[in-house]
Amino acid sequence: QQQVKQSPQSLIVQKGGISIINCAYENTAFDYFPWYQQFPGKGPALLIAIRPDVSEKKEGRFTISFNKSAKQFSLHIMDSQPGDSATYFCAAFYNTGNQFYFGTGTSLTVIP
Amino acid sequence: NAGVTQTPKFQVLKTGQSMTLQCAQDMNHNSMYWYRQDPGMGLRLIYYSASEGTTDKGEVPNGYNVSRLNKREFSLRLESAAPSQTSVYFCASNPPGHSTIYFGEGSWLTVV
Repeated sequence: QQQVKQSPQSLIVQKGGISIINCAYENTAFDYFPWYQQFPGKGPALLIAIRPDVSEKKEGRFTISFNKSAKQFSLHIMDSQPGDSATYFCAAFYNTGNQFYFGTGTSLTVIP
Repeated sequence: NAGVTQTPKFQVLKTGQSMTLQCAQDMNHNSMYWYRQDPGMGLRLIYYSASEGTTDKGEVPNGYNVSRLNKREFSLRLESAAPSQTSVYFCASNPPGHSTIYFGEGSWLTVV
């Protein structure tokens, strides 16, 4: 079964708008929640990550919001730019399992 | 520093043919992974290797074999390729006790 559920599958946002991608998980053993960004023809690359002991992490225009009780986390892209157009994957990891579980991905298109 | 290197980048196979995807990392990482990426299904783990000499099945291992040749190299073999194995394959690695996973650029495989 899908360990990490991601939505929406695709997202179109106007330049300057806010992009929001949501993920949910079930396994409370997960202790690290990264987001990966993937451009066409390239491998995914780490964008930003959070641990469950904090509720929010911000790096530039990218923010992760984390709700431990609801077992949900989301990526917010402020002031979205055409260069942000890519596929975004959320993921979950727990050290003892040494495995990453990925969401199904969100294709983001930012329209100029 | 090349990171994670995969070869070949593109390959077309006929049904029933065999081939090996090669992966090497120069970051001295213990853990290595093979994922496949299909539209709408995200990244699915085929096999992983927590350390040299060990390999374990992931979510979708059927039709594949792997070899952890040494600490640097982790190869994925298709013994008898099927059209269902048409996909983009990513090799990845991460260091011990570290939660960031590093991906290669991908190998595009088409089975006709």
